[in-house]
Amino acid sequence: EAGVVQSPRYKIIEKKQPVAFWCNPISGHNTLYWYRQNLGQGPELLIRYENEEAVDDSQLPKDRFSAERLKGVDSTLKIQPAELGDSAVYLCASSRWDSPIGLETQYFGPGTRLLVL
Amino acid sequence: GENVGLHLPTLSVQEGDNSIINCAYSNSASDYFIWYKQESGKGPQFIIDIRSNMDKRQGQRVTVLLNKTVKHLSLQIAATQPGDSAVYFCADYRANNLFFGTGTRLTVIP
Repeated sequence: EAGVVQSPRYKIIEKKQPVAFWCNPISGHNTLYWYRQNLGQGPELLIRYENEEAVDDSQLPKDRFSAERLKGVDSTLKIQPAELGDSAVYLCASSRWDSPIGLETQYFGPGTRLLVL
Repeated sequence: GENVGLHLPTLSVQEGDNSIINCAYSNSASDYFIWYKQESGKGPQFIIDIRSNMDKRQGQRVTVLLNKTVKHLSLQIAATQPGDSAVYFCADYRANNLFFGTGTRLTVIP
C-alpha cells in the first residue's frame, strides 16, 4: 500500500511570496489532515477534512492560509503571503475509520520543509 | 491549553538495553493515547496505542503502560537497536484530533 505522498519535499522562498503544498492521501482514506511542525515541537493541527468538507479549521490562520480538497482526494495548502514565522515542516496525514476500535489511525506523509527568508 | 508533555527531551541508551520514554498528560477526559516515532526527514510513524480502559498493551519489542491515577504513560522498548534512534511523541486523541507533546529524542549508542 502506497503511503501519503507530499510535494515538494523542500521549499525555500522569500517572505511575502506565495507557496503551495500538495498532498495525496492513502487510497480509500476519507479523512485528511494538515499539520504544522515547528523545530523541536510536535505537530499541530491546521485543518481536518472529511471527504471534501473542512470539518475543523479552527487553528488555520485564515488571513494568509487557505486549503482545499477538491473531489475529496488530493489536497493543497497555500500560504499567501508567507512570513518568516511560517518556516516549519508541513505534514499531511490521512486516516480511515477503524471500526474495531472505533477510532481513526492517522498515517503521515514525509512533510514539506519550508524555509522563509 | 491542556496538552500531553514529556519529562525528558533526550535519552541515550546502549544498544541492547531497554529504553523507557515517559509522558504526562493533563486532560482527564483523554481516553486514547498513541505513541509515534519520527525519524529525521520523515513524518511520524504509528508505533502503538492504548485506550484508557487498559493499563498495558504490548507490541513487537514495545510496551505502553498507562497510569490514569497520575496521568502518566510510558513507552518501553526492549533490546534497543540503532534503528530505534528517533524522536518519540506521545499523542492524545480528543474530539477527533491528535494533540502531540514536544517529543523525546532517543539516541542509541552502539
